Formats: sequence, structure tokens, C-alpha cells
Amino acid sequence: AQSVTQLGSHVSVSEGALVLLRCNYSSSVPPYLFWYVQYPNQGLQLLLKYTTGATLVKGINGFEAEFKKSETSFHLTKPSAHMSDAAEYFCAVTGGNAGKSTFGDGTTLTVKP
Amino acid sequence: KAGVTQTPRYLIKTRGQQVTLSCSPISGHRSVSWYQQTPGQGLQFLFEYFSETQRNKGNFPGRFSGRQFSNSRSEMNVSTLELGDSALYLCASSQDRGRGDTQYFGPGTRLTVL
Repeated sequence: AQSVTQLGSHVSVSEGALVLLRCNYSSSVPPYLFWYVQYPNQGLQLLLKYTTGATLVKGINGFEAEFKKSETSFHLTKPSAHMSDAAEYFCAVTGGNAGKSTFGDGTTLTVKP
Repeated sequence: KAGVTQTPRYLIKTRGQQVTLSCSPISGHRSVSWYQQTPGQGLQFLFEYFSETQRNKGNFPGRFSGRQFSNSRSEMNVSTLELGDSALYLCASSQDRGRGDTQYFGPGTRLTVL
């Protein structure tokens, strides 16, 4: 079984501030972890993913995430928020059942000018 | 390379009707997954098709079904529509759905059931 918990359904930051979106997972096997972004009326776009190897993963648009097995976390960060980062972000895990991703409930990021 | 396309983009149906949604994956991708997205339940996995066979299935009633054609295009069907079926239905394709494979999502079909 696998599950994902995203802490905070809404996060608001000022432009230029640090973005931190939290994701904790549960998986009975070594997890593969993903972060997606969704803009209004669009599908999901992959930001980054962790499969194996380096635990600090860099993605598109300046985002990165660190896989911490001991904390079962995969938090998403960006040093400096931009207005265009305002969107909904989803963390997902693929565990032992290939082909079936489990998504968190999503976090809506608001960026204030 | 063209992305994942879904048709139609918007659909309005009434309770009791049935509906068919279509998904064309990225060229060369053999795996197609379907997800339902609603404000209350979030993103939920419906099923996955690979080489014309259903490989994984989520916890949805039998009213939800799908199929995949030899060209990897996929359709999903919902029979006897209920109000709760109103949702954004997302299709995603990948080359071979190993656990770490990247899924590419289409823009979705927004279904409204009246």
C-alpha cells in the first residue's frame, strides 16, 4: 500500500520569498516520488522525480526536492518565488504496483506581489 | 512531438446517460493511464492500459470501463452517469510504465453531469 500526505492545502508567499511545499509518503517498497504542477484548466506537468541515486533532485523552473528516507519526506523548495509559480502542486508516489500512482490532495500556491 | 490529446475538452450530460472519452498518447508511448480529478476526492487512479491490456485498476465501480487500441489510443466509458461523476478526467501516457517512468498528462476532459 502507498499513500501521500501534503501538509497545507494552501500556501501563500511573497514574490522573492522561499517556497516550501511539504510532502510525506508511505510505501511498503522503495518509493518513486514525483512532483507535478497544474495550472488552471490544464493537465499536470512533471516538475521533478526521484527514482534512485542522488537524493537531492533538481527540476524545472528552479524547483528542487530532497528525498529523506528517515523522515519519509519529499519536500519541494524554490529559493525565490515568482508570480508565475502560482498554481496547484501535487506530490505522487509509485510503490510496488507499477502503473498506479497515488497522489496527494494538492497544495495551492499563491504568490503575492 | 505532439503532446497527449484528449477529446472532447468539455462535455455536458444528464444522469443515466453514458459517455465516451478519448485519449491519444504521445507517439511511441504504449501505456495510457486514466485519472479522475474532483475537488472532494482529489486525483484518483482509474485504470492503466498497456499494449491493449488493462494492467492496473483503481477502486471504481464497473460503470467505469476502458479500452486501448492497437495504435495505443485509449477510450474510457462511463455508463449510467451519476451526478458524482462530474469531474475532470485526465489521461496520461508513458513509454513503458515502469515505476519511475514519466507520465505526460493531457489537458483533460471536463465532464458535467446534470
